[in-house]
Amino acid sequence: QVQLVESGGGVVQPGRSLRLSCAASGFTFSSYAMHWVRQAPGRGLEWVALISYAGTNEEYADSVKGRFTISRDNSKKTLYLQMNSLRPEDTAVYYCVRDVFHGSFDPWGQGTLVTVSS
Amino acid sequence: EIVLTQSPGTLSLSPGERVTLSCRASQSVSSSYLAWYKQKSGQAPRLLIYGASSRATGIPDRFSGSGSGTDFTLTISRLEPEDFAVYYCQQYGSSPITFGQGTRLEIK
Repeated sequence: QVQLVESGGGVVQPGRSLRLSCAASGFTFSSYAMHWVRQAPGRGLEWVALISYAGTNEEYADSVKGRFTISRDNSKKTLYLQMNSLRPEDTAVYYCVRDVFHGSFDPWGQGTLVTVSS
Repeated sequence: EIVLTQSPGTLSLSPGERVTLSCRASQSVSSSYLAWYKQKSGQAPRLLIYGASSRATGIPDRFSGSGSGTDFTLTISRLEPEDFAVYYCQQYGSSPITFGQGTRLEIK
């Protein structure tokens, strides 16, 4: 079945870096755009970044632009999110999602928690 | 950026009741690129509706979506115990993609 499994979350100090990974299975990964979406504790959903199916186009939320980089390795069926200059407000569960029907998200991974704290 | 406002914030209802959730956009959502998600506590969201009115795979027909332009609704015709959760709308017609703040359905 279609599955997305995130990893790489943890506790990190402000200003440091972290890289998240998302392993995809059960579908032709190279045919789909992919996104990262995050959810701060007790809060709503916030779109973070998009990468096209071939990796040639990227878009970012203003809140992370210049600090986060989305990338993919289609040969490994893996999506990445490189997060630099982390801030306490980046604390959230980060979800990897597949883009379907021009921008709706299905499925969602189980999420990985990133905590930015000194 | 398109701001989505969901109402009400919280609803207390009983199983078997019918409910309609509202999602209002600050600007017209192009091509009705509006989706609805359900999130149960401690779980990832799940896609219910895309394109304003199309049910995602495996979603029961008691869920229906409608609307266009700036006003959209999600209707659950007869609430089941597993329907009590938080519901989010999302627009993906304009960048950046945005979500509503959510409506919580709780058991009365």
